Amino acid sequence: GAVVSQHPSRVICKSGTSVKIECRSLDFQATTMFWYRQFPKQSLMLMATSNEGSKATYEQGVEKDKFLINHASLTLSTLTVTSAHPEDSSFYICSARDDDRQGNTIYFGEGSWLTVV
Amino acid sequence: TQLLEQSPQFLSIQEGENLTVYCNSSSVFSSLQWYRQEPGEGPVLLVTVVTGGEVKKLKRLTFQFGDARKDSSLHITAAQPGDTGLYLCAGALSNTGKLIFGQGTTLQVKP
Repeated sequence: GAVVSQHPSRVICKSGTSVKIECRSLDFQATTMFWYRQFPKQSLMLMATSNEGSKATYEQGVEKDKFLINHASLTLSTLTVTSAHPEDSSFYICSARDDDRQGNTIYFGEGSWLTVV
Repeated sequence: TQLLEQSPQFLSIQEGENLTVYCNSSSVFSSLQWYRQEPGEGPVLLVTVVTGGEVKKLKRLTFQFGDARKDSSLHITAAQPGDTGLYLCAGALSNTGKLIFGQGTTLQVKP
C-alpha cells in the first residue's frame, strides 16, 4: 500500500481561487519532502524542497508567493496554489524522505490533478 | 540546462524486441534511480544503483550504473505490451533525497 498519501487526488477550482494539496507520510517521519510538477507526457520538474519547521527552498523560476508550502509536522507538507489560473493546471506530485533510513530512501505520492477553469 | 539527459524520449517497438534507454550527465551522482510511471499515477521505483559499474537485474530489465557514476542504462529484453509506460531516470547529487529527473522515455510496445 501507499506510504505517502496525497489529497485530493483530483481537484477543479475556479480561476482566482486558492487550492491546497496535502502530502502525508503514513508510517514514517519525513523532515524533508519535495514537490514536483508534471505536464502531460513530460518528466517531473522539481518545484521546491519542503523542510519541517523552516522555510521551503524553491527552485529557480518557481514563484514562492504563488506556491505556498507549509511543513508544520514531520508527516505533513501542504502546497497551496494561490490565485490559481488555467496555466497552473497540472499534475502535482510530492515525495518524502524517510528520516530513519540512510541515503535517498524516498517515496512518492500518488499525485494530484489540478484543473483550473 | 538539463543535468540529466535521457534518450530516446519516445520509443515504439514490437513485442519481443529489445531496447535500451540511456541517461547521461556531466555530474557525478551519489545514486541513480529508475522509475516507471503510469498515466495519472505517481512514479514507482524500479531500482536504485549506487556503486559505479553496478549491474542490477529485475526479471527482463537490466540496469547499469556507469563506472564514473555519471550515466546509467536500462535494457529491456523481449519487451511485452505490459512494459508500455513512461520510464524515468533520476539522479541524486547528495543524500538529501533531492532528485534530478531525466526527460523521460515514453515506451509503447505493440502486440
